[in-house]
Amino acid sequence: SQQGEEDPQALSIQEGENATMNCSYKTSINNLQWYRQNSGRGLVHLILIRSNEREKHSGRLRVTLDTSKKSSSLLITASRAADTASYFCATLGSNDYKLSFGAGTTVTVRA
Amino acid sequence: SAVISQKPSRDICQRGTSLTIQCQVDSQVTMMFWYRQQPGQSLTLIATANQGSEATYESGFVIDKFPISRPNLTFSTLTVSNMSPEDSSIYLCSVLTGMDEKLFFGSGTQLSVL
Repeated sequence: SQQGEEDPQALSIQEGENATMNCSYKTSINNLQWYRQNSGRGLVHLILIRSNEREKHSGRLRVTLDTSKKSSSLLITASRAADTASYFCATLGSNDYKLSFGAGTTVTVRA
Repeated sequence: SAVISQKPSRDICQRGTSLTIQCQVDSQVTMMFWYRQQPGQSLTLIATANQGSEATYESGFVIDKFPISRPNLTFSTLTVSNMSPEDSSIYLCSVLTGMDEKLFFGSGTQLSVL
């Protein structure tokens, strides 16, 4: 079932600016993952953060996790036109093998 | 990692007909899943495809409407039966390889039902 809620629903920024999106969830998790989807096609995994981690970096991506607030944020620094996509958070429950996806944030990077 | 070939990439179908979507993986995988993404929405899990046995369906999805086969560890099909316009969605195959906790996705099937 879907348990993640993301905000904002949509985000429009200028190339070179940073993009930040947030995800909240309801139940305890094993890990939280972020995925990107271009033009309604297959999703691509971006980064995974475990429940005992607070921050993680991968290239221009920075993810934070606050389990006390049941929330996570994804920061994309120095955005590029190619970052235009929909971004989804997904949680893996503590006693589950299935990912639950959030509603997604649509990011548009203007040249 | 896993490379997934999903076919067809898109189709336009008439009401009342059925469509079978195929998902082929380039390596043996532990788990295969089928998701639906309705227009402008997030992903909803339809079922987990189990090798050699009946799929495990999520609440709101039934075998008669979405029969699934998984004859081996690299291949699965999803059939959307007796289609109506409400079935117009993107259908996505995804896998867990067993080495990772992340999902790999096929490129999706864009289905439009008239």
